[in-house]
Amino acid sequence: GAGVSQTPSNKVTEKGKYVELRCDPISGHTALYWYRQSLGQGPEFLIYFQGTGAADDSGLPNDRFFAVRPEGSVSTLKIQRTERGDSAVYLCASSLGGRDRYEQYFGPGTRLTVT
Amino acid sequence: ELKVEQNPLFLSMQEGKNYTIYCNYSTTSDRLYWYRQDPGKSLESLFVLLSNGAVKQEGRLMASLDTKARLSTLHITAAVHDLSATYFCAVAGVEGSQGNLIFGKGTKLSVKP
Repeated sequence: GAGVSQTPSNKVTEKGKYVELRCDPISGHTALYWYRQSLGQGPEFLIYFQGTGAADDSGLPNDRFFAVRPEGSVSTLKIQRTERGDSAVYLCASSLGGRDRYEQYFGPGTRLTVT
Repeated sequence: ELKVEQNPLFLSMQEGKNYTIYCNYSTTSDRLYWYRQDPGKSLESLFVLLSNGAVKQEGRLMASLDTKARLSTLHITAAVHDLSATYFCAVAGVEGSQGNLIFGKGTKLSVKP
């Protein structure tokens, strides 16, 4: 079946611009996660949704970062006033949700470059 | 704050040899994951370990978990070139939740003929 998809695969933007990154989870997965991976590092947690609500947004670095999941499926990560330090690969993952349905399936990522 | 440390960070192996990657974590957690990442690709799930003493094997890879020591190992048996990749361990951030994962920095494995 279809896996997690993310668009765009690559995004180049100028410092100070606004960007949106999209994630389509696996159908039926209620939990959705955003991570950020810098070169040579492990993924770093940003935010986790259970259904439409953000269950944990403790990883968002500052108020320039915001994410939504209005219908409990597709999610959009929004970054305002981008900075060069925001350059990274942004990964989305989804899982079935629930105490015993814990395996997270990752998408291919969006490579964001801020010039 | 939960921290996850992997070692070694870089590993160059010869084909046919055995080796172990170690993953230590700092506070109690009830789930430990191992992922593989090829260059420019996303993360592929290898193992999820849920309980003390859990052992899982797939092909030439075997993972184990010791929750009392807060240690997981990924053992590679008779390495082949196809195993060259970066391997990450990750621990659930909050005990009992299904939330965020805390990742180690990864172990970059290179298997040479």
